[in-house]
Amino acid sequence: TQLLEQSPQFLSIQEGENLTVYCNSSSVFSSLQWYRQEPGEGPVLLVTVVTGGEVKKLKRLTFQFGDARKDSSLHITAAQPGDTGLYLCAPWEGGKLIFGQGTELSVKP
Amino acid sequence: GAVVSQHPSWVICKSGTSVKIECRSLDFQATTMFWYRQFPKQSLMLMATSNEGSKATYEQGVEKDKFLINHASLTLSTLTVTSAHPEDSSFYICSARDRRGYDGYTFGSGTRLTVV
Repeated sequence: TQLLEQSPQFLSIQEGENLTVYCNSSSVFSSLQWYRQEPGEGPVLLVTVVTGGEVKKLKRLTFQFGDARKDSSLHITAAQPGDTGLYLCAPWEGGKLIFGQGTELSVKP
Repeated sequence: GAVVSQHPSWVICKSGTSVKIECRSLDFQATTMFWYRQFPKQSLMLMATSNEGSKATYEQGVEKDKFLINHASLTLSTLTVTSAHPEDSSFYICSARDRRGYDGYTFGSGTRLTVV
């Protein structure tokens, strides 16, 4: 069983600040996905990364997959209150999608 | 895009009764669907993998006799919580992947189960 760690678990920042969320494992991933979930809703896919060293951008969000495909990061530039939510990394391995502990982000105006 | 419909969105039941939750892929076929549960302020925990036309595969620690899964068609999987107890109260979420292998999993909007 792979050990998946997501950090930080909670993050409260002011509007306009930058932040980075990390997802680390002792195992190599074939691919990894990032999701965002709002209270009472199912997670919504943000991005899938597959290639080691890959960088993908989604407006103010930048996703990076580590060269060794063991870790990934999500960087948000100039956070907005609308970015508030639970961010989840989820590697796809062995035919299953397993979620990290999640990062609860709160962006205050 | 792919849509997964989950029903009901919330349900309250009495201890000892059974509750069925449906998960439907509306515009695609899914040979595999997944069931998760989520407690407040926690992440999603995979309960089981639902395979069309065959038995579900349960994760370690999940009681298969308590959480019955049926995946009778390529667009429908059901989760039945049998003899529900208050500790079964949780947010249950299903997900499905287009059998054509398109990127990503689509999640339902979840079912809030409260057992009283």
